[in-house]
Parts: sequence; C-alpha cells; structure tokens
Amino acid sequence: GAGVSQSPSNKVTEKGKDVELRCDPISGHTALYWYRQSLGQGLEFLIYFQGNSAPDKSGLPSDRFSAERTGGSVSTLTIQRTQQEDSAVYLCASSRTGAMRNSPLHFGNGTRLTVT
Amino acid sequence: AQTVTQSQPEMSVQEAETVTLSCTYDTSESDYYLFWYKQPPSRQMILVIRQEAYKQQNATENRFSVNFQKAAKSFSLKISDSQLGDAAMYFCAYRSRNSGGSNYKLTFGKGTLLTVNP
Repeated sequence: GAGVSQSPSNKVTEKGKDVELRCDPISGHTALYWYRQSLGQGLEFLIYFQGNSAPDKSGLPSDRFSAERTGGSVSTLTIQRTQQEDSAVYLCASSRTGAMRNSPLHFGNGTRLTVT
Repeated sequence: AQTVTQSQPEMSVQEAETVTLSCTYDTSESDYYLFWYKQPPSRQMILVIRQEAYKQQNATENRFSVNFQKAAKSFSLKISDSQLGDAAMYFCAYRSRNSGGSNYKLTFGKGTLLTVNP
C-alpha cells in the first residue's frame, strides 16, 4: 500500500515568508509525528498527534511553528516568518498507534526547506 | 531525559567486509526499545533492526546484527558482507517502553554516514 507522502519535496523560500508543509500518513494510522533534521544533527522531535487527543507540541522550537491534523488524517506544519535557521529537512512519520509502544514508525521522504 | 550518542560521524568499509557502528545511550529506565534506522539519499528513514531491552538475545536481521550491552548502555550495529546499497546515514534511536509519559517518542543520535567502497 501507499506509504507516508510528504509535499513539497523541496521548498525554497525567502526569509520572512510563511510556508506550509504537508503530510499524508498511511491510511488507518492514528499516530502522526513531525521531526526536523538539521545539517549534521539527528532528528529533533517537533510534534505528535494521536487520534483525537490533544497533541504533544513540546518540541516546537518557537511560536512561529504550528501544526494541524484535520480529520485525523492529513497534517500541515506551518512556519511563519521563516528564518535562515529554519532551513532543514522536515520529516513526517505515522504509526498504527502511539499507544502500542512497539508500533514501528513509517517515515515519509521529507521536505527539504531552504530559507534564503 | 534520554540521550543517544553516536561517536562516529563517518565510517567506511570495503564491499563484502564487515563494519560496526557504535551507539551509546543514557537512561534511568529499565524497559525500553532500541532501533537502528537507515537513511539513504532518498531521505526516507528505513527501520533496519529493533531490540527490546528485556531480551538478552541480540537481534539479527539477515546481514545486520546488534551487540546489546545493557549494563554498559551500548547498542552497536554490525553489518556483515557489506554491499554498495548499504551506503547511507545510520541513526540509532531510543524509545521508552514504560506506560505513561512520552513513550511514543523516538530519541535519535546524530547519525553515522557509512560509505561502502567497491
């Protein structure tokens, strides 16, 4: 079946502009994650959605970052007033449920964001 | 908070030979999962192997095996008979198994870039 789909694959934007990154998880997966991968760094947790529960936003680096998940499926990560330090690969992952601790994460191919 | 350390930013291996990637972690928990993920140039993270901390037996998946030393908090990945397609960034990751808290999160190391030479 289809995997996790992210769009766009690459995005170049000017400093100060807003951007939206989209994630379409695997059908039936209730848990959805956003991670950020900066050059030379590991993956940094941003936000977690599980079903209808309140999301865990503890990893969002500033109030310029926000995310939504509509209808328990597609998620959008929005970065307002982008800065050069926001340049990174943004990875989305989904799993059948976060509550089953052994449920593996399936990752998308990420969006490479470049802020000029 | 848990931390994961990969001390080798880059490694290289000759095709058909064996290479070991190192990973150490710090946790106060006794029950958890450890993972190795592979990230090829396509950027997609692919699960290579998984180990439950309560299992003493080291996990194996074909040419991939781990050396899990719980007391030393070490979790190295051995790739045998290396192939050109093994070239990628490899990430070690930790996930709590305890109920409650943030047991849904994966904590990643910074990665090791593996080059396979023909």
